[in-house]
Amino acid sequence: NAGVTQTPKFQVLKTGQSMTLQCAQDMNHNSMYWYRQDPGMGLRLIYYSASEGTTDKGEVPNGYNVSRLNKREFSLRLESAAPSQTSVYFCASRTEYQETQYFGPGTRLLVL
Amino acid sequence: KQEVTQIPAALSVPEGENLVLNCSFTDSAIYNLQWFRQDPGKGLTSLLLIQSSQREQTSGRLNASLDKSSGRSTLYIAASQPGDSATYLCAVKNSGNTPLVFGKGTRLSVIA
Repeated sequence: NAGVTQTPKFQVLKTGQSMTLQCAQDMNHNSMYWYRQDPGMGLRLIYYSASEGTTDKGEVPNGYNVSRLNKREFSLRLESAAPSQTSVYFCASRTEYQETQYFGPGTRLLVL
Repeated sequence: KQEVTQIPAALSVPEGENLVLNCSFTDSAIYNLQWFRQDPGKGLTSLLLIQSSQREQTSGRLNASLDKSSGRSTLYIAASQPGDSATYLCAVKNSGNTPLVFGKGTRLSVIA
């Protein structure tokens, strides 16, 4: 089991560029999450998907879109990147039967 | 709105010491509370989860307690080791359908 994988590990973008962060899990989990982690701010939820075909906004959804492509994959898209979106992005997943969330290794994004 | 605070923000102790990390939350009507560990440049790893009906959970040298009425949880680490050096995050969930709210973490350094 690879657990939760994220690609890319690191990305540099210019303001206005777009990109998609990929997340996949091989644990057959129903729920998947996207967080961002900023110094002094802690982790904040961007979007989540309670099950395949559903997505909901979290605390900081502005500037992002998500797609739950299938049960395994949950992608996060930045349509027009801004310097304020410089952050470390984490994907997580969990089953419907347990509360424990399993995190990926993160994607470090720098927007210039 | 639930807010989670962790004090201290950083802690340095000599190897072998027992130590306590603190977490407080503003809304005591929680569903569960979790403690995570984050190593530098890595994702989060779940350590302990306490349901709202429980008072404590133990795993090896770690013991987490929960006092809902006072809005507090503590993570006790016995006989600390250099390998315990990491950032420890506390997160609470207010109901089964709400997302986790994270504290900003305590950065622990255990000096050999």
